[in-house]
Amino acid sequence: DIQMTQSPASLSASLGETVSIECLASEGISNDLAWYQQKSGKSPQLLIYAASRLQDGVPSRFSGSGSGTRYSLKISGMQPEDEADYFCQQSYKYPYTFGAGTKLELK
Amino acid sequence: EVQLVESGGGLVKPGASLKLSCVASGFTFSDYWMSWVRQTPGKTMEWIGDIKYDGSYTNYAPSLKNRFTISRDNAKSTLYLQMSNVRSEDTATYYCTRERDPLMVASDYWGQGVMVTVSS
Repeated sequence: DIQMTQSPASLSASLGETVSIECLASEGISNDLAWYQQKSGKSPQLLIYAASRLQDGVPSRFSGSGSGTRYSLKISGMQPEDEADYFCQQSYKYPYTFGAGTKLELK
Repeated sequence: EVQLVESGGGLVKPGASLKLSCVASGFTFSDYWMSWVRQTPGKTMEWIGDIKYDGSYTNYAPSLKNRFTISRDNAKSTLYLQMSNVRSEDTATYYCTRERDPLMVASDYWGQGVMVTVSS
């Protein structure tokens, strides 16, 4: 299985601060990577697919980048509603696997 | 509006079987691959498996393949997860998801989730 190492495990950011979360795959995944946001008590929501494509309806302050084995999610200007857990998922090879998640809090 | 509504969860004893259902609406169910994902109480996300739009092909996490079976009934717009010989480590919230595109795979819609607790 492809292992997805996500960092950091938790993060605290001030209003308006730019935040980055990373996922490192155990092998190259050819941009087959998605990012999800999960607010407390809710189901996950898709933010980014194919490493850098913004899902419809997602604010443009969210962006994804990366290649090969390293990928990142950037939030350009932390907002209160961005407080949530974030997960990456690779879909390059079965079984699709998730990162362990990052808990983002507002400072 | 796309909706995925899971049901069938609850408290079950170790070794028992359980079948989860997911009723889809708001889109043409038979056009999409669908998947099941679970989240443990510790928030770990685990992909269980997926099924092709016509039900002809399934993929599973190797650790679950011998006990879990995914199926679908396109006439009823319903996805199923048959769980057998359940264990305490199967305790989780189970989500049904729609896979947006077979070339750029990601789960673009998720159900509200259904809790399964395995305990004697």
